[in-house]
Amino acid sequence: QKEVEQNSGPLSVPEGAIASLNCTYSDRVSQSFFWYRQYSGKSPELIMSIYSNGDKEDGRFTAQLNKASQYVSLLIRDSQPSDSATYLCAVSGGSNYKLTFGKGTLLTVNP
Amino acid sequence: DTAVSQTPKYLVTQMGNDKSIKCEQNLGHDTMYWYKQDSKKFLKIMFSYNNKELIINETVPNRFSPKSPDKAHLNLHINSLELGDSAVYFCASSHSNRGNYGYTFGSGTRLTVV
Repeated sequence: QKEVEQNSGPLSVPEGAIASLNCTYSDRVSQSFFWYRQYSGKSPELIMSIYSNGDKEDGRFTAQLNKASQYVSLLIRDSQPSDSATYLCAVSGGSNYKLTFGKGTLLTVNP
Repeated sequence: DTAVSQTPKYLVTQMGNDKSIKCEQNLGHDTMYWYKQDSKKFLKIMFSYNNKELIINETVPNRFSPKSPDKAHLNLHINSLELGDSAVYFCASSHSNRGNYGYTFGSGTRLTVV
């Protein structure tokens, strides 16, 4: 069974710090990797996608992928209180585009 | 302008009742999904339709029956509701012909069975 594991939270960082969120996956044929942000009571919102090994940067967010280690991470630089949310790692592979989600990591950024 | 819309947003009902949740997307996507998010925030896929064809059917009680009248709509009917069905149900959509660029989620339906 395909599994996606995220580092257990909650994670608390001070404002301005770097928040590091980690995720491992079990299915070696996984091809696409995503980070979703979910505020309390809201729906998941796609913030980053990554498909090849290495780093991908978008503003304060950097996604990192290492397929050999089956590891994907999300770095949030200059964390803001508005970044406080649950971050969901999602992985897909195969022809049916099914996304398998991790259980999420609750991030709190303290002013 | 809502991309993926679900109705109703909240649903409170008694055990044993039958209820439906509706989902519509105006993104031109050809694939739609139902996910269940439990109280611990774990999102688990239930069903997926591609151009009205069922392509994913996870281990879900047969009290749950999806229906897709066309590729822009996906409904979920639940018979004989149980307390354990209480959760947030999310509809999502994607476009299969453009690679996998992730899903767009609806705002969710919070179902409470009492």
